Amino acid sequence: ETGVTQTPRHLVMGMTNKKSLKCEQHLGHNAMYWYKQSAKKPLELMFVYSLEERVENNSVPSRFSPECPNSSHLFLHLHTLQPEDSALYLCASSQDPWQISTEAFFGQGTRLTVV
Amino acid sequence: GENVEQHPSTLSVQEGDSAVIKCTYSDSASNYFPWYKQELGKGPQLIIDIRSNVGEKKDQRIAVTLNKTAKHFSLHITETQPEDSAVYFCAASSGGGADGLTFGKGTHLIIQP
Repeated sequence: ETGVTQTPRHLVMGMTNKKSLKCEQHLGHNAMYWYKQSAKKPLELMFVYSLEERVENNSVPSRFSPECPNSSHLFLHLHTLQPEDSALYLCASSQDPWQISTEAFFGQGTRLTVV
Repeated sequence: GENVEQHPSTLSVQEGDSAVIKCTYSDSASNYFPWYKQELGKGPQLIIDIRSNVGEKKDQRIAVTLNKTAKHFSLHITETQPEDSAVYFCAASSGGGADGLTFGKGTHLIIQP
């Protein structure tokens, strides 16, 4: 166990559905991240939160909406997704986002399938 | 932005032999280079990392080398075992965790018994 828990592990949703992914970290970290992992592509950083404030948004479509109510929880709200959004969504956390060489701990991911 | 290239995409070695995975990066400001191992159904897990002020780091059967001039770094696994079979990712970061990590595409390492 890495101390980062994601739910659900698997999710199948239609293009008109609204769903949310949840991430919780038990490490006392100050930064949390959402990554997208597609087949044969590098992990793509989607969002970065530092002390509950968003500091990075790598041009992610608005159909993905993050929420960070506190430093231990991170959500990714999904609506009107496309089939190409099917991927493994990984949450990660790190101690201090402004410190060089901070190890990132990953959750097990949510396997999302959009039908 | 940073761009990380990783080779090979698939590597098959006999159990007990060594495996080497290589990565190059583009941003000369990058100063942190972690390696992650991802097993089936799990998230990536850090196995070793190296900072720009060090040329080599070793942890039991795993070692990483860094050549800042050439902007490449490599993962070396010696005396490979079946449990080493997984996908390995290299990554680079220039500004700390807030910039996130830029990952390579991954190498699927297969250990043949």
